[in-house]
Amino acid sequence: QQPVQSPQAVILREGEDAVINCSSSKALYSVHWYRQKHGEAPIFLMILLKGGEQKGHDKISASFNEKKQQSSLYLTASQLSYSGTYFCGTEGSNDYKLSFGAGTTVTVRA
Amino acid sequence: ETGVTQTPRHLVMGMTNKKSLKCEQHLGHNAMYWYKQSAKKPLELMFVYSLEERVENNSVPSRFSPECPNSSHLFLHLHTLQPEDSALYLCASRAGLNTGELFFGEGSRLTVL
Repeated sequence: QQPVQSPQAVILREGEDAVINCSSSKALYSVHWYRQKHGEAPIFLMILLKGGEQKGHDKISASFNEKKQQSSLYLTASQLSYSGTYFCGTEGSNDYKLSFGAGTTVTVRA
Repeated sequence: ETGVTQTPRHLVMGMTNKKSLKCEQHLGHNAMYWYKQSAKKPLELMFVYSLEERVENNSVPSRFSPECPNSSHLFLHLHTLQPEDSALYLCASRAGLNTGELFFGEGSRLTVL
């Protein structure tokens, strides 16, 4: 039961904002967000735990609505370094399967 | 540098070969994961180990055989693979099951001829 991400791709100019959505069909314990650049390992951005919290990392923040089993990642005032593929990973309370969505490719242009 | 090292970084093998992928972490983590990353597909969870015990086998064909001799090392033994098994194989470690984030290695790029 992999989460569904949208959009598949987004192209931004520096300074623009974007939202990436992640939804799951199962009750969630946590949502993870990672970014992967071409030829590199995925790098951790943030975890959101059950409780509906919102977290931030520089100008990248995320929210988690556990009732709707959804999370959103917000890229604010995007920078060239934000380019890459963003993955959400979801985990249920009683399983050890950290399953990932298909990814959203973000391209930030000058 | 995430603290998780995978070798080899690139591997080309025939369908009848036997080879192994190695993953090593010295982060003191207790859980280790194998994921398969194919082009235009989501990261696919293959196996999960906790304290050297396999806790998840995500319907992976038996031609992939994992081994976790201790909490710092994880292997993926490959035998009689198919061309569709060509992919990037990512290892990751974590403090514990359901605990903290994943630290990924840079992956082993496998090509099956």
